[in-house]
Amino acid sequence: DAKTTQPNSMESNEEEPVHLPCNHSTISGTDYIHWYRQLPSQGPEYVIHGLTSNVNNRMASLAIAEDRKSSTLILHRATLRDAAVYYCIRSNNAGNMLTFGGGTRLMVKP
Amino acid sequence: DADVTQTPRNRITKTGKRIMLECSQTKGHDRMYWYRQDPGLGLRLIYYSFDVKDINKGEISDGYSVSRQAQAKFSLSLESAIPNQTALYFCATSDRQGGQPQHFGDGTRLSIL
Repeated sequence: DAKTTQPNSMESNEEEPVHLPCNHSTISGTDYIHWYRQLPSQGPEYVIHGLTSNVNNRMASLAIAEDRKSSTLILHRATLRDAAVYYCIRSNNAGNMLTFGGGTRLMVKP
Repeated sequence: DADVTQTPRNRITKTGKRIMLECSQTKGHDRMYWYRQDPGLGLRLIYYSFDVKDINKGEISDGYSVSRQAQAKFSLSLESAIPNQTALYFCATSDRQGGQPQHFGDGTRLSIL
């Protein structure tokens, strides 16, 4: 039970913003929301995480709904190197456990 | 140099053989994890360790064992390999604080004939 729901795939044009949605309607109050991405033939790479407030870093922004039942990963200007599988994951505060679902395959068109 | 190093990167072996996959880290993290990934799927947790004396089973531990030799080293063993253990294996580490991100190695591609 991955406990998060994401679209299987999305497409974007290069240099345009991308909004990757995730539903986590059964999230508990202490679960963090993590995003990772995986490029072909590589291990997952940490992108961003948050608990309640929106978060920004050099890679992306994370917008968390007020009820925490959904979140959106925002890539402000997609590049060809952003083509990857993006995983939205709930992480238990105590154990750091990650349960991966199928993720969203992002394709970026030149 | 990579912070999380897995060896070997690729391995082909035969059914029934014992195999050890090794993971070492220079991040100074207490927590280490082993995952497997099958084609087209997300990662599944095999074992995890919160410190040298703490080992826990994950979602799919049957057929696997682990050893935490030191804070920096966490090994995964397949005692008697079988073909359905053919997969991509990843090691990861994280800080002890709750909710912290995990840092992954580049994986070991294991094929069992």
